[in-house]
Amino acid sequence: AQSVSQHNHHVILSEAASLELGCNYSYGGTVNLFWYVQYPGQHLQLLLKYFSGDPLVKGIKGFEAEFIKSKFSFNLRKPSVQWSDTAEYFCAVNARGSSASKIIFGSGTRLSIRP
Amino acid sequence: NAGVTQTPKFQVLKTGQSMTLQCAQDMNHEYMSWYRQDPGMGLRLIHYSVGAGITDQGEVPNGYNVSRSTTEDFPLRLLSAAPSQTSVYFCASSGRSRGADTQYFGPGTRLTVL
Repeated sequence: AQSVSQHNHHVILSEAASLELGCNYSYGGTVNLFWYVQYPGQHLQLLLKYFSGDPLVKGIKGFEAEFIKSKFSFNLRKPSVQWSDTAEYFCAVNARGSSASKIIFGSGTRLSIRP
Repeated sequence: NAGVTQTPKFQVLKTGQSMTLQCAQDMNHEYMSWYRQDPGMGLRLIHYSVGAGITDQGEVPNGYNVSRSTTEDFPLRLLSAAPSQTSVYFCASSGRSRGADTQYFGPGTRLTVL
């Protein structure tokens, strides 16, 4: 069965700092990978996703993620964060070929941005 | 399109009571799921459905039942509520594609069991 690890539970940065949130998954086969964001008081929204092709994926709001198959990782990056990026970020994985509904989420990383 | 809707937004139950959390989507999505969100645990999959009449268990199915009689609706039933079921519940739907697809989430139901 697949699983997802997000090792950073809470990250605190100042505005304009660079961001990298770690995500590792465990599954031996081919996977689809996602990053979702949950702003305070809101429901989850998709930031970006990787299905195939270029392992560097660009998402909304200046976020990007790189799929490194050899490291089973899909880290989220942003060169310069803003106060409005304060949110909780979730990495998710779906084993290719299985039900699209069975997407497993990590425990989340809370990002706090100091103005 | 309303997207994914959930009712109620908030609910307080006493231990042993039963209730149904409603979820509906108007995007003609085949796949629907229920998650619970607890602090430090992320989202955990409770049950999911790949189409009308077909459901399956996720990571934490105990204490919950689901059914999928129509494409639009995917209710989650708590048979006998327990304090451990205090959580925020999210319903999600996704369309069919080669593999997984973007999940569209509802606004959530915050449930407290006393």
